[in-house]
Amino acid sequence: SQQGEEDPQALSIQEGENATMNCSYKTSINNLQWYRQNSGRGLVHLILIRSNEREKHSGRLRVTLDTSKKSSSLLITASRAADTASYFCATEGDFGNEKLTFGTGTRLTIIP
Amino acid sequence: NAGVTQTPKFRVLKTGQSMTLLCAQDMNHEYMYWYRQDPGMGLRLIHYSVGEGTTAKGEVPDGYNVSRLKKQNFLLGLESAAPSQTSVYFCASTYSGPRGPQHFGDGTRLSIL
Repeated sequence: SQQGEEDPQALSIQEGENATMNCSYKTSINNLQWYRQNSGRGLVHLILIRSNEREKHSGRLRVTLDTSKKSSSLLITASRAADTASYFCATEGDFGNEKLTFGTGTRLTIIP
Repeated sequence: NAGVTQTPKFRVLKTGQSMTLLCAQDMNHEYMYWYRQDPGMGLRLIHYSVGEGTTAKGEVPDGYNVSRLKKQNFLLGLESAAPSQTSVYFCASTYSGPRGPQHFGDGTRLSIL
């Protein structure tokens, strides 16, 4: 079963606009990670946020985490055509499992 | 530095045939994972390994076997391929398990006829 669920499933925006996608999860976590997947390629790690952190930045990426609502958001500012990809959240449970559980992803399309 | 390399990149099998997918990483990572990705279902974990000589079942292990005889290699075997195993298979590795980023290969696209 999927731990994380991304919302929306698909998003299309104009180049230069900001893109926000959300991830909800079901159980307590130690950390939450975001990945990007370009068409026909493997996933690429973007950012990791720990359960005791509320916000993290990396370049044009901003991730927030609200453990009380069991949700996270990924904001991409000033979007570019190269940001067109699928974005996945992944969670590590706090029960010591040696694995991540991935969500179903948000398909982001940037319109030039 | 190649990272994670998967071979083959594409393969077409007939029902009942067997094959082995190879994953190789050159980052000295302890943890390795095999996932399958199907439309609308995200990534599902098949098997994983926390170190050389170890393997463990993931979410969807039936019909697959794995081996980790060398630290850098993680093999995924299909014993008797079925059409339901048509998928894109990804291998990933990481140094620190779920506490750190996973590094992915570019996948093997497998079709079972």
